[in-house]
Amino acid sequence: QSVLTQPPSVSGAPGQRVTISCTGSSSNIGAGYDVHWYQQFPGTAPKLLIYGNSNRPSGVPDRFSGSKSGTSASLAITGLQAEDEADYYCQSYDSSLSAVVFGGGTKLTVL
Amino acid sequence: QITLKESGPTLVKPTQTLTLTCTFSGFSLSTSGVGVGWIRQPPGKALEWLALIYWDEDKRYSPSLKSRLTITKDTSKNQVVLTMTNMDPVDTATYYCAHRRDIVGGGYFDHWGQGTLVTVSS
Repeated sequence: QSVLTQPPSVSGAPGQRVTISCTGSSSNIGAGYDVHWYQQFPGTAPKLLIYGNSNRPSGVPDRFSGSKSGTSASLAITGLQAEDEADYYCQSYDSSLSAVVFGGGTKLTVL
Repeated sequence: QITLKESGPTLVKPTQTLTLTCTFSGFSLSTSGVGVGWIRQPPGKALEWLALIYWDEDKRYSPSLKSRLTITKDTSKNQVVLTMTNMDPVDTATYYCAHRRDIVGGGYFDHWGQGTLVTVSS
């Protein structure tokens, strides 16, 4: 069971907006540690999508955005496209465990 | 341009020790603030962080696997080596190494290797 909780799956139609939540606790997200997001296509390595809660690396479309509040964070994807169909993971740091922690991952299906 | 590539055995037997090498380019592990981490992913499952090593030899390990892991670096060869002892079939996974970038609120992995699938079976 992951320290950071994500919904196993989300879906949306092309053009719609979807959000993926990442729920933590007072020893990780709630303690002020940043949340980072990764996108992973089948058979490939994860790719950094959002860092520092809401920053996009160069080359990531502005359709992707991140936010954080309290003990949770969210990844939002607007103008959903078929090519966004992938697995998405959140990552932070947990001070109680003294460990880097990942969420369980969310599979995004574009209907 | 930062690149990383994992290498090592694709098949190990239960109880054996796994040794994986991450060979990288585009950065130096002697530069202040730089780190390299290992993350694994069992088939069809989530990512799991294993270990980190920094430019100053600071080493961090997953609490649940700490007793089995050792991470080292060879700065002259631009390599990071991870060893995992007493391998078990549940350790079957794709193992990734990644460049670590630390920020005030906690670091992230901004460049990843392609991964190497390690199967544990007799």
